Amino acid sequence: QKEVEQDPGPLSVPEGAIVSLNCTYSNSAFQYFMWYRQYSRKGPELLMYTYSSGNKEDGRFTAQVDKSSKYISLFIRDSQPSDSATYLCAMSTGNQFYFGTGTSLTVIP
Amino acid sequence: GAVVSQHPSWVICKSGTSVKIECRSLDFQATTMFWYRQFPKQSLMLMATSNEGSKATYEQGVEKDKFLINHASLTLSTLTVTSAHPEDSSFYICSAPSVNSYNEQFFGPGTRLTVL
Repeated sequence: QKEVEQDPGPLSVPEGAIVSLNCTYSNSAFQYFMWYRQYSRKGPELLMYTYSSGNKEDGRFTAQVDKSSKYISLFIRDSQPSDSATYLCAMSTGNQFYFGTGTSLTVIP
Repeated sequence: GAVVSQHPSWVICKSGTSVKIECRSLDFQATTMFWYRQFPKQSLMLMATSNEGSKATYEQGVEKDKFLINHASLTLSTLTVTSAHPEDSSFYICSAPSVNSYNEQFFGPGTRLTVL
């Protein structure tokens, strides 16, 4: 079983839709949870960084962590064509990082 | 956020040659940097952890003699792919942790290596 599972998609939504991206994990030692956005042929860009369970909001983005279910989510409200990218979840025990495979998102104008 | 740069952004080389990729933290110091490779439509694979002033730590299965890492200063780490072969063609990305939190990684823009 992989440490981090992420549905690769692709996911296609109309502009303005709410997007939900998810990852599950198996290691209960993960304490830090991140979401990265990666445009084609570019390096990942940190979007959200959270510690432990709970919600964190930043503009149109909301990150949710449920440690009891070992499940994290990223919600994008009012999605825009510029949100079209691959979204990677990442998790850390504090010493080791693990990345999901990424979900490819396309927002159609 | 902090800025990490990489150079070159794209390199094409002949099989058997060596290629050096630079990773710089532009506005902060990084005693640790990470090197990843990424194949098309796949996630990041950690290759090694670069430590300033000491030897790099390589992940299992990564040949340390093939992928030479030097972390010469607090703002520069280099990855040299020695005797490159077509199977080394990939997207190489470095990252450095934030000075505030080791778990907050900032990535470079990546270097696309094509070995002919």
